[in-house]
Formats: sequence, C-alpha cells, structure tokens
Amino acid sequence: AQTVTQSQPEMSVQEAETVTLSCTYDTSENNYYLFWYKQPPSRQMILVIRQEAYKQQNATENRFSVNFQKAAKSFSLKISDSQLGDTAMYFCAFSGTYKYIFGTGTRLKVLA
Amino acid sequence: DTAVSQTPKYLVTQMGNDKSIKCEQNLGHDTMYWYKQDSKKFLKIMFSYNNKELIINETVPNRFSPKSPDKAHLNLHINSLELGDSAVYFCASSQDFGLPDTQYFGPGTRLTVL
Repeated sequence: AQTVTQSQPEMSVQEAETVTLSCTYDTSENNYYLFWYKQPPSRQMILVIRQEAYKQQNATENRFSVNFQKAAKSFSLKISDSQLGDTAMYFCAFSGTYKYIFGTGTRLKVLA
Repeated sequence: DTAVSQTPKYLVTQMGNDKSIKCEQNLGHDTMYWYKQDSKKFLKIMFSYNNKELIINETVPNRFSPKSPDKAHLNLHINSLELGDSAVYFCASSQDFGLPDTQYFGPGTRLTVL
C-alpha cells in the first residue's frame, strides 16, 4: 500500500532564510506524481509544485524547488528567501493508479 | 473565474439536521472528489466520481450521500448530522481518474455541528 510520511509536524524559519520540508513515500508503482500543497490560514489548498516520477530533473517554481530522490523515495521541498506569506501548513501528496494520498502535514511559521 | 467553487463556506447547524454542500468546477474535468479534513488537519478522501458515476466510497457512513447531476457538479448531502461530522469539507477535481493527475481544490466548507 502507498504511504506518505511527513516527519516534521512543525518548523519555523526566519524571514529571508531557506527552509527544507521533508517527505518520504512508499510505493511499488513506477508511474506516479508527487505534489506539495500549501494551506494558509485561509484554508484554501494551493498547489505549490508537482513532480512527475519519470522526470529526472527536479521541479522548480520561483522560490520553491524539490529534491526528488526516486530510489530513496524521498521528496523534499525547499523554500528560498522565505516570506511571511509562506506561513502555512504544507502537505506532501502522492498520485498513482486510483490513489491520491496526503501526508499529515508540516506547519511552517516564518518569523519576522 | 474560480476553478473549483463550493457553497456555503461556513455552515453551523444543530445535531440531527440535514444539510447540503454544493460544488462546481469549470475546468472541464471528468473526475470530482470530496475530502474531509479533521481538527488535526488530516485529509481523508470520502468519494470519487468519474463522469457522474460513483467510483469510490471510502467507507463513509451512509448518512453522507453525494450526487452528481452533471460532470461539473458534485454535491454532498448529509443526513442526521452528528457532532463528529464537524470538519472542513473540500471538493476537488482532476482530469483523469485512475492515472496520476493533479487535483485542484475548492475553498472548503467549514461545518460546525452544535
């Protein structure tokens, strides 16, 4: 069965610094996507970044980038130049065959 | 120009009442979902619909009845509300079902049962 694990319930980072959120997953599938979603206090679920498993190149979206280690089944999110607006819950998610699974989330607080 | 919309955003009601939450997507997607997010922020899928047909019911009590009048709409009706139903309910949609794909979420409906 597929699982998604986020081992850091809470993290904090100073404004303008860099922070990395961890995610590991388990699957026997070869074709899957991985995601990071952001949920700010407004509770909207916002797609931050997507990584297709068949792509070797790590996905990037402006200040957000991932470190995708397929063999190790690891998918971390790096946020550069952290901003106060990055304060939110961050969810790692897996999409495979008939499955969409979320991790338990990491609460990130950006400090002024 | 909202992609996935839900109404209402807040719902406060008494135990035992019946309530509905509506969802609409204008992305042209074939698949829609309902999720429940509890007080610990854990997201759990409830239902998956593809082309108006129920595909997956993740052991949700039968007090919860989804209805999809067309591909763009998926409503959730809840009978005999209980205290434990208090949560945030999210609607989502994706183009494909059964294949890896991106889900897009609505703004959520916070349901409070008193």
